[in-house]
Amino acid sequence: QQPVQSPQAVILREGEDAVINCSSSKALYSVHWYRQKHGEAPIFLMILLKGGEQKGHDKISASFNEKKQQSSLYLTASQLSYSGTYFCGTENTGGFKTIFGAGTRLFVKA
Amino acid sequence: DTAVSQTPKYLVTQMGNDKSIKCEQNLGHDTMYWYKQDSKKFLKIMFSYNNKELIINETVPNRFSPKSPDKAHLNLHINSLELGDSAVYFCASSQAGPGTEAFFGQGTRLTVV
Repeated sequence: QQPVQSPQAVILREGEDAVINCSSSKALYSVHWYRQKHGEAPIFLMILLKGGEQKGHDKISASFNEKKQQSSLYLTASQLSYSGTYFCGTENTGGFKTIFGAGTRLFVKA
Repeated sequence: DTAVSQTPKYLVTQMGNDKSIKCEQNLGHDTMYWYKQDSKKFLKIMFSYNNKELIINETVPNRFSPKSPDKAHLNLHINSLELGDSAVYFCASSQAGPGTEAFFGQGTRLTVV
């Protein structure tokens, strides 16, 4: 079942923050986050496996709630290079299948 | 060295033709995938292979036939191409399936005219 991502699109000025949410009706095995720039392949950002987990690098971080049904991606002090489409991908137990949300288009302007 | 490479990058063909897309990964991964991304950017899984064996077939028309001659290669053959097959096809690989990050190839943009 496809996870639900919100918002569908975000426009930010450089330096502003954004949150992208990803939710499922069932508990998940894992959540993946990817960013895709126009005409390019999706690039892995991070994966979360444990309920209550938070992780991040630089100014991009993510959390996975205790019930493992919802994840959020946090973009802090956004830069122009953050522009792109962000996808969450979810796995259920059993694996070998990551199902992606519809994507969130993020545009950062100067 | 490209980790996951697909060929060709662009493919324009007429309806009814048969075409193949090749994918190779040099990461030593056990699991490989084919995804289809349509014009609305939805990324949908088509097939998943683990150690050359088909694990997932997501109700893809049987005109699409994946083949994995070895762990490093996963090719996609499409028969009797239709207009609706136009999309970007991404190959990806991951180390051991569940809970591991996927590395994507650069994509093959297929246009059926």
